[in-house]
Amino acid sequence: DSGVTQTPKHLITATGQRVTLRCSPRSGDLSVYWYQQSLDQGLQFLIQYYNGEERAKGNILERFSAQQFPDLHSELNLSSLELGDSALYFCASSVALQGASEQFFGPGTRLTVL
Amino acid sequence: GQQLNQNPQSMFIQEGEDVSMNCTSSSIFNTWLWYKQDPGEGPVLLIALYKAGELTSNGRLTAQFGITRKDSFLNISASIPSDVGIYFCAGQLRYGGSQGNLIFGKGTKLSVKP
Repeated sequence: DSGVTQTPKHLITATGQRVTLRCSPRSGDLSVYWYQQSLDQGLQFLIQYYNGEERAKGNILERFSAQQFPDLHSELNLSSLELGDSALYFCASSVALQGASEQFFGPGTRLTVL
Repeated sequence: GQQLNQNPQSMFIQEGEDVSMNCTSSSIFNTWLWYKQDPGEGPVLLIALYKAGELTSNGRLTAQFGITRKDSFLNISASIPSDVGIYFCAGQLRYGGSQGNLIFGKGTKLSVKP
């Protein structure tokens, strides 16, 4: 158990809908990262928050957004869903912003868009 | 964007065999991490490497940070059935900031020889 929790574990929805994925980092970790894992693209970095502020953006679509709350949990919002958004979404956390820091992954949310 | 080439893509193991896999990049990394992912689970951190030339062990696993900082190797000695899974290398370009996120290889899938 990495200490990172994600809910829900599975999500099935229809095209055009909007969903919210939730992540709670390990106790004491200030950085939260979101990754998307699909069969053809592998693990792709989406976005990073540190202590409530956005710090880095990767290959995140404009239809997707995220935030980190004062209690450090984070939510990833996916809107106008398309079939191709079906994937595993992982949250990871690390303790630091600066300096080398290991990232610990949650169990993921499997999103299926029908 | 940056790419990590991970080889081999898949391999079959027989219990007791040693296993080797590697990752190479055209970019220099400051950190190399190795993760293992079981079906339906999030990646689990196995080994983290922070210095060029560093050799680090975790039980039967040994990983090395290449001297050029563009590659890394993972060896598993005396493999056992529970070693089956997908192994990912991940590189971190810089500490923190906009390039602190991880770039992942496509994975090496370890399966048991039939």
